Amino acid sequence: QKEVEQDPGPLSVPEGAIVSLNCTYSNSAFQYFMWYRQYSRKGPELLMYTYSSGNKEDGRFTAQVDKSSKYISLFIRDSQPSDSATYLCAMRGVGRNNAGNMLTFGGGTRLMVKP
Amino acid sequence: DSGVTQTPKHLITATGQRVTLRCSPRSGDLSVYWYQQSLDQGLQFLIQYYNGEERAKGNILERFSAQQFPDLHSELNLSSLELGDSALYFCASSARGGLAGGSTGELFFGEGSRLTVL
Repeated sequence: QKEVEQDPGPLSVPEGAIVSLNCTYSNSAFQYFMWYRQYSRKGPELLMYTYSSGNKEDGRFTAQVDKSSKYISLFIRDSQPSDSATYLCAMRGVGRNNAGNMLTFGGGTRLMVKP
Repeated sequence: DSGVTQTPKHLITATGQRVTLRCSPRSGDLSVYWYQQSLDQGLQFLIQYYNGEERAKGNILERFSAQQFPDLHSELNLSSLELGDSALYFCASSARGGLAGGSTGELFFGEGSRLTVL
């Protein structure tokens, strides 16, 4: 079983829909949680970053972390065709050793927003 | 544009061959990370260099090696290539030395080198 699980999709939604993307993880040492967006033929780029549990909002995007359930989510409101991309969750622990700081990525969910 | 440059963008080669992928990090970034992305394994960390020295190793095969030069560019060498090595290879950079690029976890990725082994 992978440390970070993510439904690969594809997830197809109409323009304007609310999108929910999720990851589950097994390592309770993870403290930092990130969402990267990867457009086709491009490298991943950091979209949002949260520390520990709670919510963080940035425009149409909301990141949510539930450490008790080992579950993180990314919500996209009023989705646009330009949001069509693969979304990867990533997470890491804290600490001075390399194992604790290594970023572990989910496999990515491919999102398609249709006009 | 992330500021990270990778060459070549595409590479087709045969099994048993050796290839070199090159990466120029963002101006001023000291850390370079190499990742492999395949359909079945997702984004896998291979190796990190910080200011010319190896900082951490991930799931890197013995047939693969990397180095970072004094001008901070990095090269990933893949030898005795197998069909299963076909993948996208990404280079990322960050200013800091941690495996996650500092507290925000931000790594700046290049556009990748797509390797096809026939």
